[in-house]
Amino acid sequence: EVQLVESGGGLVQPGRSLKLSCLASGFTFSNYGMNWIRQAPGKGLEWVASISSSSSYIYYADTVKGRFTISRDNAKNTLYLQMTSLRSEDTALYYCARRRTGIDYWGQGVMVTVSS
Amino acid sequence: DIQMTQSPSLLSASVGDRVTLSCKASQNIYKYLNWYQQKLGEAPKLLIYYTNSLQTGIPSRFSGSGSGTDFTLTISSLQPEDVATYYCYQYNSGDTFGAGTKLELK
Repeated sequence: EVQLVESGGGLVQPGRSLKLSCLASGFTFSNYGMNWIRQAPGKGLEWVASISSSSSYIYYADTVKGRFTISRDNAKNTLYLQMTSLRSEDTALYYCARRRTGIDYWGQGVMVTVSS
Repeated sequence: DIQMTQSPSLLSASVGDRVTLSCKASQNIYKYLNWYQQKLGEAPKLLIYYTNSLQTGIPSRFSGSGSGTDFTLTISSLQPEDVATYYCYQYNSGDTFGAGTKLELK
């Protein structure tokens, strides 16, 4: 069974940093691209970033480019999202998701709240 | 960037109704379109991939069609457990979600 478990969220002040993790199990992590997708409270889904299986290809939404960094450690079956210079508009539930025919499996999400 | 427009934003229907949700892309995305169902408080779940392929474990009352810029998700006979928000998503060029259609019972 595919499982994706996010962690690392919380309350952070504007301008500060936070690093999210996503532990994958139930599939060969190193064979799949991965994504981060977010959902602001009461709003729709917004794709944030993608990384290929070997980290060769990385893409970001314009809204986070230059502030967020996606990475992965295939030996640890873990996906990361380093977030810096956080803004109030980054407040959202952040989902880790596997990339196959688009996006197939999603984690349950981790909440990030940016507020003073 | 490709924009995805879903309609209607809110749909009320009765149990047993045939329900049709629309998604339009701002440019040709061929058939690189998925549909997701998100129930309140849950993560999205993949229903349909590559326009018309049913994800494993999804009931056959869900179906998808279309190509190019116009796509449709159909629920052949609405069930109470289908109350949710439905999102389309294109992955032909970058990644873009539609704003969603909230489906409620009449």
